Amino acid sequence: DIQMTQSPASLSASLGETVTIECLASEDIYSNLAWYQQKPGKSPQLLIYYANSLNDGVPSRFSGSGSGTQYSLKINSLQSEDVSIYFCQQNYDSPPTFGGGTKLELK
Amino acid sequence: QVTLKESGPGILQPSHTLSLTCSFSGFSLSTYGMGVSWIRQPSGKGLEWLASIWWNGNTYNNPSLKSRLTVSKDTSNNQAFLKVTSVDTADTATYYCAHTDRTAFDYWGQGVMVTVSS
Repeated sequence: DIQMTQSPASLSASLGETVTIECLASEDIYSNLAWYQQKPGKSPQLLIYYANSLNDGVPSRFSGSGSGTQYSLKINSLQSEDVSIYFCQQNYDSPPTFGGGTKLELK
Repeated sequence: QVTLKESGPGILQPSHTLSLTCSFSGFSLSTYGMGVSWIRQPSGKGLEWLASIWWNGNTYNNPSLKSRLTVSKDTSNNQAFLKVTSVDTADTATYYCAHTDRTAFDYWGQGVMVTVSS
């Protein structure tokens, strides 16, 4: 199985700040990477697919980048509603696998 | 508008079989490229993909659960099903079904909490 390692595991940031979450795959996943946001008590929601494609309805302050084994999710101008857990997921090889999650809190 | 909703027993005993139903609308599982996946999440923990079923009837299971999983569909009634045999406490989790078109899990149900306890 392809292992997905996210960092950091938790993150505290202030409103208006820019935050970056990293995801490292154990092998090349050729940009077959998605990012999800899970708010407390809710199901995950797709933010980004194919590493850098913004899902419909997702605010433009979210962006994804990366290639090969290294990917990142950037949130510009952090808003209070962005407090969530963020997961990366590779869809290059079966079984699809998720990163362990990054918990984003407000400072 | 794509929506999915999971239903299940809530609580069941160890060694029993878990049966879950995903009722969906806004797409058809007979349409080329459409799929429904099952994903679970123990409380406070990460996400684990369990299985997927596709428009053509192909199914894929997570090898980590060996042969305990069976996924099926009823295209006429817009439902997908997951069975997990020989459950134990490690299967306690929230179970989600999600629509997928191979790029990602783009629509998720609200999840159903399943507790395995004697």
